[in-house]
Amino acid sequence: QKEVEQNSGPLSVPEGAIASLNCTYSDRGSQSFFWYRQYSGKSPELIMFIYSNGDKEDGRFTAQLNKASQYVSLLIRDSQPSDSATYLCAGSLGGYQKVTFGTGTKLQVIP
Amino acid sequence: NAGVMQNPRHLVRRRGQEARLRCSPMKGHSHVYWYRQLPEEGLKFMVYLQKENIIDESGMPKERFSAEFPKEGPSILRIQQVVRGDSAAYFCASSPSDLTDTQYFGPGTRLTVL
Repeated sequence: QKEVEQNSGPLSVPEGAIASLNCTYSDRGSQSFFWYRQYSGKSPELIMFIYSNGDKEDGRFTAQLNKASQYVSLLIRDSQPSDSATYLCAGSLGGYQKVTFGTGTKLQVIP
Repeated sequence: NAGVMQNPRHLVRRRGQEARLRCSPMKGHSHVYWYRQLPEEGLKFMVYLQKENIIDESGMPKERFSAEFPKEGPSILRIQQVVRGDSAAYFCASSPSDLTDTQYFGPGTRLTVL
């Protein structure tokens, strides 16, 4: 079964700290990975996508991909209370293949 | 540049009625995806469509649910003879082409079945 797995949390971090969100996937053929942020009662919002092994940085966010270990992570530096949300990890085989979402990790940033 | 649009935002139906959910993709996007999300749960893939074609409907229940994306007009997710278990948030997403699968989500339709 093709799956994307995340710890549901909640993950609590103090304001200003680094939040580390993790995700594993079971299909070795997966090519593309995405992180979405979803506030309660709202729709998912794309934060980052990553296709290649290594790190990809965008502002306070860094996505990390390790295809050998089938592991994706999202680091949020200088966490703010406004970062409190559920973070969804997703993976795809690419092209016409559907995107599979994890169940999400709830992040709480404590002021 | 308008994003993905969905309507209605909230829909209330009694058991046995039909629900029609509409999705207009972002300008220039020809690929549409429908997802269902129950409270406190993740997104569940339902169907992937291109104009006039269903590409993948592996997540659609076998009965009562159907989807279309006509040449003109929005994509429609249709639920016939709704039951209480159909109550959920239904999200539509779109992507620009078959060369990328980065999806952008609409605001969702919250369906409540009484």
